[in-house]
Amino acid sequence: DAGVIQSPRHEVTEMGQEVTLRCKPISGHDYLFWYRQTMMRGLELLIYFNNNVPIDDSGMPEDRFSAKMPNASFSTLKIQPSEPRDSAVYFCASSRPAASTDTQYFGPGTRLTVL
Amino acid sequence: AQRVTQPEKLLSVFKGAPVELKCNYSYSGSPELFWYVQYSRQRLQLLLRHISRESIKGFTADLNKGETSFHLKKPFAQEEDSAMYYCALRLYGGATNKLIFGTGTLLAVQP
Repeated sequence: DAGVIQSPRHEVTEMGQEVTLRCKPISGHDYLFWYRQTMMRGLELLIYFNNNVPIDDSGMPEDRFSAKMPNASFSTLKIQPSEPRDSAVYFCASSRPAASTDTQYFGPGTRLTVL
Repeated sequence: AQRVTQPEKLLSVFKGAPVELKCNYSYSGSPELFWYVQYSRQRLQLLLRHISRESIKGFTADLNKGETSFHLKKPFAQEEDSAMYYCALRLYGGATNKLIFGTGTLLAVQP
């Protein structure tokens, strides 16, 4: 398995533009997580899904952020409109069912810069 | 509330010196704890988990329930150990299955 795949790896955009980040989890993993990493706040959980259903979106910073998981192999995180303070590295991760003692596997991240 | 605390943002040691990265947690249930490592501009990788009681790359971590700690240790640091280290607490039950991360400690091993 190629692991968790994210695209794009780098994104530079201007304030006010819409940004869409993409994630493909590891096949067979029921859970998918979106994180944001910044120097100031470290690693923050934004939202996670179980079997394509959002379980906890309490970490989503505001209405400008939205996430979807239309099927088991694809998820998107959208920011509209983007702002400079959204600049960060966004990680996607996936894991097996909760009963498993396995842990989360992370993608390579998308480095977002909003000018 | 569940919380993971890593009190040091930066830990700088010389090559060959012992290393201890501190992690304390707050959780009323039976904890399941992990250490993740992130090398420069790479993805987070699992380093070790307390239930495995293993040693990875010379690192060990012991769960101390009395002190609610899960410190990461290595007797002799190597330059290639320089990275960001995150301690994490797993919460699960029902559909809940998530990790609570600490803010991370940057380990810098000087030659």
